[in-house]
Amino acid sequence: GEDVEQSLFLSVREGDSSVINCTYTDSSSTYLYWYKQEPGAGLQLLTYIFSNMDMKQDQRLTVLLNKKDKHLSLRIADTQTGDSAIYFCAERYNNNDMRFGAGTRLTVKP
Amino acid sequence: SQTIHQWPATLVQPVGSPLSLECTVEGTSNPNLYWYRQAAGRGLQLLFYSVGIGQISSEVPQNLSASRPQDRQFILSSKKLLLSDSGFYLCAWSVAGARTDTQYFGPGTRLTVL
Repeated sequence: GEDVEQSLFLSVREGDSSVINCTYTDSSSTYLYWYKQEPGAGLQLLTYIFSNMDMKQDQRLTVLLNKKDKHLSLRIADTQTGDSAIYFCAERYNNNDMRFGAGTRLTVKP
Repeated sequence: SQTIHQWPATLVQPVGSPLSLECTVEGTSNPNLYWYRQAAGRGLQLLFYSVGIGQISSEVPQNLSASRPQDRQFILSSKKLLLSDSGFYLCAWSVAGARTDTQYFGPGTRLTVL
């Protein structure tokens, strides 16, 4: 299909790990992105991964990429209440074209 | 460092009224510029992008138009707003020709059409 798919909601307890999953559409996508959107704000780039990589780690964030299955995941270790936000997965599939998922709303409970 | 500004932050307009949303980028030259709309519960929809002054590409047919009168200024307009134009509008920029072409987003404008 033409949609980048993500689960709409995820709820975790503070201190646990969060895993947000995404399925993208174009096997020739060059870069895959994770953006964070806090209430009423624009999108903040969290991290990105080039399509020839399997994994990228940046402090509490770990991105895993399975090109065969076109599956991307974002793991947040030791999730904090400040991590509560909407997380968008996105793929770059042409020079300037990007396709975004609908976003996963992460709720962190104390 | 580069920054991107959008205004207004929120806007409430009646149906049939005109619209002008502005986006400006500082700290870079000749950026690629983008307008997205985010509808509730949905992903971002690319509306327009621009690779230079006066160069606008439209992704979807709609009631809106875009203009780029200056290198770092991108304007989203409408002559007559529809109810369906309500949403959260995001402007973004990326470095022209850069390898990653990562897009950086502004704070957004929430438009409510009544």
